[in-house]
Amino acid sequence: EVQLLESGGGLVQPGGSLRVSCAASGFAFSSHAMTWVRQAPGKGLEWVSDISGSGGVTYYADSVKGRFTISRDNSKNTLYLQMTSLRAEDTAVYYCAKALTGSRARDYWGQGTLVTVSS
Amino acid sequence: QSALTQPPSASGSPGQSVTISCTGTSSDVGGYNYVSWYQQHPGKAPKLMIYEVSKRPSGVPDRFSGSKSGNTASLTVSGLQAEDEGDYYCSSYAGSKILIFGGGTKLTVL
Repeated sequence: EVQLLESGGGLVQPGGSLRVSCAASGFAFSSHAMTWVRQAPGKGLEWVSDISGSGGVTYYADSVKGRFTISRDNSKNTLYLQMTSLRAEDTAVYYCAKALTGSRARDYWGQGTLVTVSS
Repeated sequence: QSALTQPPSASGSPGQSVTISCTGTSSDVGGYNYVSWYQQHPGKAPKLMIYEVSKRPSGVPDRFSGSKSGNTASLTVSGLQAEDEGDYYCSSYAGSKILIFGGGTKLTVL
């Protein structure tokens, strides 16, 4: 059974940094691209970042480019999102999701971790 | 990239059919057969319902179907059931490895 478990969310001041993690199990982690998607309170879904299975290729939404860094440790089956220079508008539930092979869909999602940026 | 356009709400009675639209441009919905639909219940993670316009993942009831015409994709839920109530989001590949989502549609089963 595929499982994705996010952790590391919390309250951080504007301008601060935070790293969220996603522990994966139940599938060949290194064979799949992974994604971070966020959802601000009461709002819709927003794609944040993608990383290839090897970790060698990454993509970012313009809204986070230069501030967020996606990475993965395939030996630990874990995905990361390092967030710096955080702003109030980054407040959201952050979901990790597994890419469906050969498609642009995300077939499994974690339950999310809440990041709140506030003073 | 702008978000895809979805109606904020849709509704239907049990047993009826409802269709939710998702309008983009020739640079996203119209340019690729990579439209997906996700269902989200309150406080829960999104669930993939349709991918590549009209394909259903294993375990998704065949009451759910997808289609596309030009720059508009559609999700149809037939034989509405109470458990179908929730938020539905479309997404599309938009080139340059970018993924965009619609604003979401709240489906109410009357």
